[in-house]
Amino acid sequence: GESVGLHLPTLSVQEGDNSIINCAYSNSASDYFIWYKQESGKGPQFIIDIRSNMDKRQGQRVTVLLNKTVKHLSLQIAATQPGDSAVYFCAENRMDTGRRALTFGSGTRLQVQP
Amino acid sequence: DARVTQTPRHKVTEMGQEVTMRCQPILGHNTVFWYRQTMMQGLELLAYFRNRAPLDDSGMPKDRFSAEMPDATLATLKIQPSEPRDSAVYFCASGLEGLNQPQHFGDGTRLSIL
Repeated sequence: GESVGLHLPTLSVQEGDNSIINCAYSNSASDYFIWYKQESGKGPQFIIDIRSNMDKRQGQRVTVLLNKTVKHLSLQIAATQPGDSAVYFCAENRMDTGRRALTFGSGTRLQVQP
Repeated sequence: DARVTQTPRHKVTEMGQEVTMRCQPILGHNTVFWYRQTMMQGLELLAYFRNRAPLDDSGMPKDRFSAEMPDATLATLKIQPSEPRDSAVYFCASGLEGLNQPQHFGDGTRLSIL
């Protein structure tokens, strides 16, 4: 079935480098995307969202890029810090289902090396 | 910051026992979601409420699971009887109804059925 997925299950970066986490989605009807960060023993924490009428949105040290042509979403983290180590999930909202519940990808683990 | 509160944080019990998990959504949020997270399946939606009314519980095993919202400040998820395969982390999330609104998650209940 259609789902949101991630290309890389584990990403290891050096402290201070930039990180890029990718996500593919298959439903062109999806109109809203969210990135969550999940640390061990905690629930997913909202990082940033983007609507389908945008192709880029920036937050503090994070940028989300949306390419609707190839149905691709990415999360860029600038100057990655040890505290950024976590599992990152992308999630989508599918307008065609009429539901407001999110469909989550499988997650990417980000490991920041000191 | 306002937070979704879940209790208990951990629960260990024997199969066949009834399990009740509780969630206090963020004040003012009118949508509540229950998700289950396992290593194999990732984050899966179990049930979804809007203004305390259940809108979607298609992801929930009906024979043993039940979800309710006795009032706007409390959501419950019950399993009766519990089985070892129910072992997982159960998350509650809340949000505001409307297009493109992020959900905010609690820190989950880690359930182990022996």
